[in-house]
Amino acid sequence: DIVLSQFPDSLAVSLGEGATITCKSSQSVFHTSNNKNFLSWYQQKPGQPPKLLIYWASTRESGVPDRFSGSGSGTDFTLTINSLQAEDVAVYYCHQYYSVPLAFGGGTKVEIK
Amino acid sequence: QVQLQESGPGLVKPSQTLSLTCTVSGGSINNNYYYWSWVRQPAGKGLEWIGRLYTSGTTNYNPSLNGRVTMSADTSKNQFSLSLTSVTAADTAVYYCARTPLFDWLPIRGIDVWGQGTTVTVSS
Repeated sequence: DIVLSQFPDSLAVSLGEGATITCKSSQSVFHTSNNKNFLSWYQQKPGQPPKLLIYWASTRESGVPDRFSGSGSGTDFTLTINSLQAEDVAVYYCHQYYSVPLAFGGGTKVEIK
Repeated sequence: QVQLQESGPGLVKPSQTLSLTCTVSGGSINNNYYYWSWVRQPAGKGLEWIGRLYTSGTTNYNPSLNGRVTMSADTSKNQFSLSLTSVTAADTAVYYCARTPLFDWLPIRGIDVWGQGTTVTVSS
């Protein structure tokens, strides 16, 4: 089974500053059939379901602000939030859809410093 | 625009079976363009994938649930369902139904649509 480890568990960032979240997979999620990484990122605010931000590790979902970006390949991935806004306060999760059992990272809570 | 809505009892007694239904509106579940999942989240904790269903009948479940899970679809009602047997307090959580789009049977974009979630409490 693939295990996703997220770092840090939480971070506090000043408004306008950047935030970086890491997701490490215990196995590669790169699919050679289409040369894509089967990894996505979600944002979850209190009382709401998760919202898709990034898929294929680096493709931004329609309507997601361009201050959110994803990078990485194989087993190491990063979600970057440039110029943090107040509305970005949330918990962020990575998710692998490469193989069953599908899995989520443990989450990273982003707060304002 | 497709929407998913979970429904079912909010309270289940220990050792009984938790049964939830997800009603899909704005699109048909009866095609090969999606698979349908259940994900749960205990209060204050992270997300746990429960399982997925293709309307062709194929299912995959999280082995951590020790064979207690069954998922099925009723295409005539545009619904899919979750059954979790022998529940304990550890099964108390918000349960989400969700959709993942497919292309050539491969998932794309991960989960792109989620229901609002329904809280299930296991207690006597």
